[in-house]
Amino acid sequence: DTGVSQDPRHKITKRGQNVTFRCDPISEHNRLYWYRQTLGQGPEFLTYFQNEAQLEKSRLLSDRFSAERPKGSFSTLEIQRTEQGDSAMYLCASSHGLAGDRRFGPGTRLTVL
Amino acid sequence: RKEVEQDPGPFNVPEGATVAFNCTYSNSASQSFFWYRQDCRKEPKLLMSVYSSGNEDGRFTAQLNRASQYISLLIRDSKLSDSATYLCVVNKAPSGTYKYIFGTGTRLKVLA
Repeated sequence: DTGVSQDPRHKITKRGQNVTFRCDPISEHNRLYWYRQTLGQGPEFLTYFQNEAQLEKSRLLSDRFSAERPKGSFSTLEIQRTEQGDSAMYLCASSHGLAGDRRFGPGTRLTVL
Repeated sequence: RKEVEQDPGPFNVPEGATVAFNCTYSNSASQSFFWYRQDCRKEPKLLMSVYSSGNEDGRFTAQLNRASQYISLLIRDSKLSDSATYLCVVNKAPSGTYKYIFGTGTRLKVLA
């Protein structure tokens, strides 16, 4: 497999701007997860999809955040009106079914100035 | 109290040493447990699952103690390439939603 890919790898934006990240999971994986990781911390769960259905959202996911997986393949994570506190690494992971190994993408590093 | 707690380290050990990390978790209903490895500015990668009876993979041994709610990772004969952050992961699984909870990670530096 080609692994999980994420785009862009780095994003620098000004406070108040909107940003969108893309994740392409491993093709046969039906579950897709988004995490956020800040320096010195472990990844924190944001949301996950089974196929195109968004099944769970963390309370960390404020109303400025929205995620989609329209055709059950790639997913997008949008942050509106970015704040400096949104600066983090945004990691996407995918798995096959409930018990499948969770494979992570390389992440998108967001810096909000 | 955090759901998953780890000593952040760093643990500085010489090559060839044996080093052990512990991780405690607060939810006694946790279903499954893992160790992930994360290199600097890279994504986490699964190192090994942790089974109730304990399990070994080469130089790595993982143990689970449900009664005391902790898991451990033992690395024997440390290599320079083992330098990384080791993340403890606990799977909360209410209603089958398999939510991974990550610890903050323990940094290991293996010194020549």
